Amino acid sequence: AQSVTQLGSHVSVSEGALVLLRCNYSSSVPPYLFWYVQYPNQGLQLLLKYTSAATLVKGINGFEAEFKKSETSFHLTKPSAHMSDAAEYFCAVSEGQAGTALIFGKGTTLSVSS
Amino acid sequence: DVKVTQSSRYLVKRTGEKVFLECVQDMDHENMFWYRQDPGLGLRLIYFSYDVKMKEKGDIPEGYSVSREKKERFSLILESASTNQTSMYLCASSTGQSTNEKLFFGSGTQLSVL
Repeated sequence: AQSVTQLGSHVSVSEGALVLLRCNYSSSVPPYLFWYVQYPNQGLQLLLKYTSAATLVKGINGFEAEFKKSETSFHLTKPSAHMSDAAEYFCAVSEGQAGTALIFGKGTTLSVSS
Repeated sequence: DVKVTQSSRYLVKRTGEKVFLECVQDMDHENMFWYRQDPGLGLRLIYFSYDVKMKEKGDIPEGYSVSREKKERFSLILESASTNQTSMYLCASSTGQSTNEKLFFGSGTQLSVL
């Protein structure tokens, strides 16, 4: 069965600093991997997804993530944090088969200070 | 614009009550999901459905049931609400036979069981 681990429940950065949110996965088959973001009092929305086409995936709002099979990782990065990036971020994994569902990590709250 | 609508944003119920949480999507999606979101635990899958009248247990189905009589509507039922079911409930939908498709989320229902 697949699972995902997000390292660090809370990450704090200064505005303009690099954002790095860590995600490691476990899957018995080549996985599909996702990052979702939840802004305060809103539902989740997709940031980006990896579906085996390219290992470096670019998403919305300047975020990107790199799939590293050897490290079973899919870390999310952004070169320069903005105040509006403050939110909760969820990594998720799927084995892509019919009759299965997306499994989410526990989330990482990103705080951005001025 | 595509939409997943959850009938209530906030709900307060008493222990032992039967509770219905309703979710409707207008995108003709095959797949629908119910997750609960708790601080520090992320999103946990309760039930999902990949077709009308079909349902699959997720990771935490105990104390819940679901109903999908029509393609657009997926109901979560708490047969006898308990205080440990106080949580944020998120409904989502997606298209396609595999789970590499984007999930569309509703805004959530914050349920308090007193």
